[in-house]
Parts: sequence; structure tokens; C-alpha cells
Amino acid sequence: NAGVMQNPRHLVRRRGQEARLRCSPMKGHSHVYWYRQLPEEGLKFMVYLQKENIIDESGMPKERFSAEFPKEGPSILRIQQVVRGDSAAYFCASSPGLHNEQFFGPGTRLTVL
Amino acid sequence: TQLLEQSPQFLSIQEGENLTVYCNSSSVFSSLQWYRQEPGEGPVLLVTVVTGGEVKKLKRLTFQFGDARKDSSLHITAAQPGDTGLYLCAGGAGGTSYGKLTFGQGTILTVHP
Repeated sequence: NAGVMQNPRHLVRRRGQEARLRCSPMKGHSHVYWYRQLPEEGLKFMVYLQKENIIDESGMPKERFSAEFPKEGPSILRIQQVVRGDSAAYFCASSPGLHNEQFFGPGTRLTVL
Repeated sequence: TQLLEQSPQFLSIQEGENLTVYCNSSSVFSSLQWYRQEPGEGPVLLVTVVTGGEVKKLKRLTFQFGDARKDSSLHITAAQPGDTGLYLCAGGAGGTSYGKLTFGQGTILTVHP
């Protein structure tokens, strides 16, 4: 049973470009969570999604960041017009239900030049 | 805003020693998870505690949830070099923030042979 998959594992973008990070949850999991880990900081919650719905986006920056989890396909975290401060590790987690444990993927390391 | 303070931030010990990592908050959590993270990888779930006063054991690791569900501890007996890594505690808030985990800053453990 494959775990949470994220791709790409490493992503390099220049300032002003767009970054798209993908997350495929574990089989049977319909809840997806995105977290960001900045250098020298802990993991911070960004957004919680179920299929086709954003449940809690209280940790998402108000501009340039968006997330979706379509009926078919992976969850996507999109960062428009990236800036150097967006450089971080972005982790996706999934769970089978709201009250269940979250299992994390290996992360995408975004570097903005 | 819920905060989790984890201590110590760094711990360097010799093989065979015992250690305890603490996770404290002024807020009540519905659940408390402990994760271990290796460099370049995502957090791996070790245990979840949900009941005040609960104690769980995982081989040489003992996890405890405080009676008031505001704090937790991780105790490792006879540490081994293989225990080296970043240990993270994460609290689940419950209520409308149920899907959101609040992470501590982490404890970097180094066990010397």
C-alpha cells in the first residue's frame, strides 16, 4: 500500500514564476492537508481539503497561494509569482477521515532563485 | 492561537542514556501526536494519544499525555544511535479546527556511540 506521494521532490523557480506542487493521498484517504516548513522553523498548517472542497484555509497566505483537490487526480498547491521567501519544504498529509491520524508525504523542496 | 512549546531544542547524549522530551501548551488539545523526521524526508507518525493521563509504549519509547491534555512527554530508555533524528509533537485542536495540527518546534536528538 503506497504512502502519500508528492512530486516533484525538488523544484527550482525564478522569482515571478509559478510553482505547482502535487500530492496524491494514500489509497482510501479523502482528506488532504498541506503544511510548510521554513528554514529554522517548525511545520505550519496551511490548508485542509476534502474532495472538491476547501475545509480550512486559515493558514494560507492571502495572496498568490491557492489549493485544490479535484474529484479526480491529485491535490495541487499553487504558488503564483513566487518570491524568495516562498523557499521552503512543503508537506502534504492525508487521513481517511476527519478524526484520524495524518500521514505525511516526503515533501517538495521549493527553491526560489 | 494555540502554541506548543517543545523542549529541549537540542539534545546530545551517549548511547545507553535515558532522555525525556517535553511538549507544553496553555491550550487543551483533543489529541497529541509524536512524529520523527529524518533529513530530507517527511514526518513519520510514532504514536497518537487522546485521553488525559494516557501512557503508550513503543519498545524503548514511552509517551504520556497530561491529565489536562495540555502537555505531553516522550521518554526514551537506553538510547541508541539509531534514535538520532528530529522529534516533533503535534496537537489536534478539535472543534472547527479539527483537521489542523499545531506543531512544536522540534527536538534534535543526537545519540553518540
